[in-house]
Amino acid sequence: KNEVEQSPQNLTAQEGEFITINCSYSVGISALHWLQQHPGGGIVSLFMLSSGKKKHGRLIATINIQEKHSSLHITASHPRDSAVYICLLSYGNKLVFGAGTILRVKS
Amino acid sequence: EPEVTQTPSHQVTQMGQEVILRCVPISNHLYFYWYRQILGQKVEFLVSFYNNEISEKSEIFDDQFSVERPDGSNFTLKIRSTKLEDSAMYFCASRGDSNTEAFFGQGTRLTVV
Repeated sequence: KNEVEQSPQNLTAQEGEFITINCSYSVGISALHWLQQHPGGGIVSLFMLSSGKKKHGRLIATINIQEKHSSLHITASHPRDSAVYICLLSYGNKLVFGAGTILRVKS
Repeated sequence: EPEVTQTPSHQVTQMGQEVILRCVPISNHLYFYWYRQILGQKVEFLVSFYNNEISEKSEIFDDQFSVERPDGSNFTLKIRSTKLEDSAMYFCASRGDSNTEAFFGQGTRLTVV
């Protein structure tokens, strides 16, 4: 069984829509990262969460430690948000990647 | 802002050749990682490194692979006798301790021909 599951695998949205990407996990973690990967391949860290909620611009990330679930929200989505969004678990020395959600925002 | 740097950004090599992928982690970081991503697939863990030794490795990380921190700043991944299926993007990551944010390099795209 995978330690981390992301949903959906693929998401297509119209510009301006509110987007939610989900991450569920099965292990006790010290933190969870949300990462963004653009077509060129580079990985950018968006958030690191261990509890509660963080906001940066149009991006909001939440985590519920008891339910072992995190969400990444994008408000007022834009075509430049098109990327792969990856949930990354941190526990012990490990960093475990989710499979990623491919987001395409159409204008 | 501190960053992890990887060189080269793209390497093309003949099958059977050895390659060394280089990473410069953030200077005061203690934990180092290599991952790979075959085109169109998810990111896969290769190896983690702490206190000058491998702390964990995946099934992918067999005798063909080795890592080294030769001089206190570089963190290298050596792939011996490359195969076509080694073609992938290889990412390096580092962090200060096991509870702090991880930083990723921009990756090295390895193409084995």
